Amino acid sequence: NAGVTQTPKFRILKIGQSMTLQCTQDMNHNYMYWYRQDPGMGLKLIYYSVGAGITDKGEVPNGYNVSRSTTEDFPLRLELAAPSQTSVYFCASSYDTEAFFGQGTRLTVV
Amino acid sequence: GENVEQHPSTLSVQEGDSAVIKCTYSDSASNYFPWYKQELGKRPQLIIDIRSNVGEKKDQRIAVTLNKTAKHFSLHITETQPEDSAVYFCAARSALTGGGNKLTFGTGTQLKVEL
Repeated sequence: NAGVTQTPKFRILKIGQSMTLQCTQDMNHNYMYWYRQDPGMGLKLIYYSVGAGITDKGEVPNGYNVSRSTTEDFPLRLELAAPSQTSVYFCASSYDTEAFFGQGTRLTVV
Repeated sequence: GENVEQHPSTLSVQEGDSAVIKCTYSDSASNYFPWYKQELGKRPQLIIDIRSNVGEKKDQRIAVTLNKTAKHFSLHITETQPEDSAVYFCAARSALTGGGNKLTFGTGTQLKVEL
């Protein structure tokens, strides 16, 4: 029972580099989310999707992009990495109420 | 949009004592209020939730209360144990259509249960 799977678990990026954080879920959930978690700041919503082909901005979308070509996958793209994007990123999915989280990606931008 | 405030940010209790964490929300249209527990280095996991048509819900040592009029809800943990030590997050979901089922989270409470 895989649930929500994120890759990679850890990554160090140099300023200005790009990368994609992968997220896939096998629960056939329509709703998917990307959050970032900074110390003492809780979880802030970056982008979300209500189904394949539909995405929308959350609270902190600047510097990120997403796509949702299938129900299962919801990758998060960082185009020009900045130190302010150093954080732990969580992907999540839900059917109705409970949100299921992936194991997180710890990203450091230096 | 929704704004959720959570207090306290840290809470230290003796083993066996009770712990209470409080949250307030701003959007009167919110109708679902979950609580997540996050152990160090792990993902957040749901421990209990409550819908707006219920005032209280209990699951063994954990209970949640909701006051819709005052727009606040609380997590109560009784007979605390060392394994309850973690960060706890409250959240709220708006009932507005087109809202994407989004959760807005509080800033978290670091609970430490001391022996």
